[in-house]
Amino acid sequence: DAGVIQSPRHEVTEMGQEVTLRCKPISGHNSLFWYRQTMMRGLELLIYFNNNVPIDDSGMPEDRFSAKMPNASFSTLKIQPSEPRDSAVYFCASSQGQGYGYTFGSGTRLTVV
Amino acid sequence: GENVEQHPSTLSVQEGDSAVIKCTYSDSASNYFPWYKQELGKRPQLIIDIRSNVGEKKDQRIAVTLNKTAKHFSLHITETQPEDSAVYFCAASMLTGKLIFGQGTTLQVKP
Repeated sequence: DAGVIQSPRHEVTEMGQEVTLRCKPISGHNSLFWYRQTMMRGLELLIYFNNNVPIDDSGMPEDRFSAKMPNASFSTLKIQPSEPRDSAVYFCASSQGQGYGYTFGSGTRLTVV
Repeated sequence: GENVEQHPSTLSVQEGDSAVIKCTYSDSASNYFPWYKQELGKRPQLIIDIRSNVGEKKDQRIAVTLNKTAKHFSLHITETQPEDSAVYFCAASMLTGKLIFGQGTTLQVKP
């Protein structure tokens, strides 16, 4: 198994631009999570999906952030417009459901200048 | 609300000594407690986990204990080595499958 695959690994963009992060979960995992990690705030859960359905998006910072999961093998996290304070490492993780640990992807390091 | 408190935030030990990291959780319905290790610049990786029907679990030099009554769980690393240096996160599972993470402990093992 290739694990959770995220792309791109690094993204540098200018303030105001749209950014799209991508994630392919492990096949057979029915839960998918998007996290943001910074030194100041640690690991923050942004949104998660069960069986492709968004369950809790209360961690999404504001309307500039949106996430989709059109099928069981693909999810996107979009930031439009991006701002410097969005700079962070964004992790995608998947799991088999309640009572199972997460497998994290390698993360996307986003820098907004 | 849902909360996991983790202590200490930083821990420095001499190689060969033991290290203990403690967590408390708020939701009594939590029944799954994983621990993650994150090395600098890398992803968090699951190192050990415990379920609520078990009080202790061991895997070589690492062990986890759980006290459901007190809502405490702890990670114990014995015979620490420099490669154990990393950030460690505890977590507690909600019934929805969502994990609530602690704030992390930076462990430094001095050679």
